Amino acid sequence: AQKVTQAQTEISVVEKEDVTLDCVYETRDTTYYLFWYKQPPSGELVFLIRRNSFDEQNEISGRYSWNFQKSTSSFNFTITASQVVDSAVYFCALSEAGGNNRLAFGKGNQVVVIP
Amino acid sequence: DAGITQSPRHKVTETGTPVTLRCHQTENHRYMYWYRQDPGHGLRLIHYSYGVKDTDKGEVSDGYSVSRSKTEDFLLTLESATSSQTSVYFCAISESGQETQYFGPGTRLLVL
Repeated sequence: AQKVTQAQTEISVVEKEDVTLDCVYETRDTTYYLFWYKQPPSGELVFLIRRNSFDEQNEISGRYSWNFQKSTSSFNFTITASQVVDSAVYFCALSEAGGNNRLAFGKGNQVVVIP
Repeated sequence: DAGITQSPRHKVTETGTPVTLRCHQTENHRYMYWYRQDPGHGLRLIHYSYGVKDTDKGEVSDGYSVSRSKTEDFLLTLESATSSQTSVYFCAISESGQETQYFGPGTRLLVL
């Protein structure tokens, strides 16, 4: 069964520091999709990125970057030069091509950026 | 942003009463999902739909039923609410089963 592990529950950083969120996944499928979502204090879930299992290129979007490594089953997320607006819960999720379309979520990382 | 609304946004009800939550989309996406979010569990799939009148169970479907009579609406019903169903419920939509799921604003349900 698909599984996602986000080990750190709460991470506090001082503004302008970098923060990296670890995501380790388990799946038996060779085709799968990885996602990151942001949940700010207002409660909505905001889509950040989607990666398929055949695309191991790292991606950068502004201050956000993602490092996908199939060899270690990891899909880590880094926020560079953090800002107070980055304070949120971040979820990593996995769906399998052969599954029932379920997104398996990790338990989330609470990021607190201290001004 | 994907056009997804949920109603009601907040609800307080008593144990044993039926409750129906509505998800409405304006994107004409084929797939719709219901998740619940609880502390320490992340989000878990309750039911999903892959077309009008086509639904299937997720990992925490006991005590819930769903219906989809129109592409744009997906209803989640708690036949007889229990305190364990106190949660935040999110609806999501996607164009296909493998595409990105976009989430609605959520419904906070408190069962007393």
